[in-house]
Amino acid sequence: DAGVIQSPRHEVTEMGQEVTLRCKPISGHNSLFWYRQTMMRGLELLIYFNNNVPIDDSGMPEDRFSAKMPNASFSTLKIQPSEPRDSAVYFCASSLNHAGYRYEQYFGPGTRLTVT
Amino acid sequence: QKEVEQNSGPLSVPEGAIASLNCTYSDRGSQSFFWYRQYSGKSPELIMFIYSNGDKEDGRFTAQLNKASQYVSLLIRDSQPSDSATYLCAVSLGQAGTALIFGKGTTLSVSS
Repeated sequence: DAGVIQSPRHEVTEMGQEVTLRCKPISGHNSLFWYRQTMMRGLELLIYFNNNVPIDDSGMPEDRFSAKMPNASFSTLKIQPSEPRDSAVYFCASSLNHAGYRYEQYFGPGTRLTVT
Repeated sequence: QKEVEQNSGPLSVPEGAIASLNCTYSDRGSQSFFWYRQYSGKSPELIMFIYSNGDKEDGRFTAQLNKASQYVSLLIRDSQPSDSATYLCAVSLGQAGTALIFGKGTTLSVSS
């Protein structure tokens, strides 16, 4: 079975530009998580969805960030306008939340974003 | 504020030794505990999970949980140079669909 798929793997953009990151969760998983990782702050949760519904977006740093999950197999994280401090690795993870399962999360390969 | 604390290291051990990685958490309501391994430039990889007090063994890895002390550990027996990585401890309240809170990780270096 394919794991979590993320695109692009690398993104270099100029300050002020719009950036869209994409994620396809593992088939059958019903929870999806967006994380950001930096050396200073470690791995931070930005937002997560259960059954395509956003549950907690308290980690989204500001209104420049938005996320959507239009269906069970696709999610986007958008930054508009981007700033140099948004440079980080962005990970998407998915899990299956169902009676008898214990919510282990599986990570995608990440998108390394550089904003100049 | 829910927190997960880990010693950043680096923890250096010789090949064949036991590596011991520790983690404490602040929320007594936490029910699920995970260890992820992350190689440089790669994504976190789930290696162990534990939900009940005591020990759980999987190959060379043993996870230990003490809820009374709010303490989780990971032992790696017969450490190999390929075990050199950053190990992330993660904690969840265990309710359906809740997110994980990660520590900042401990860097392990195994020398041959």
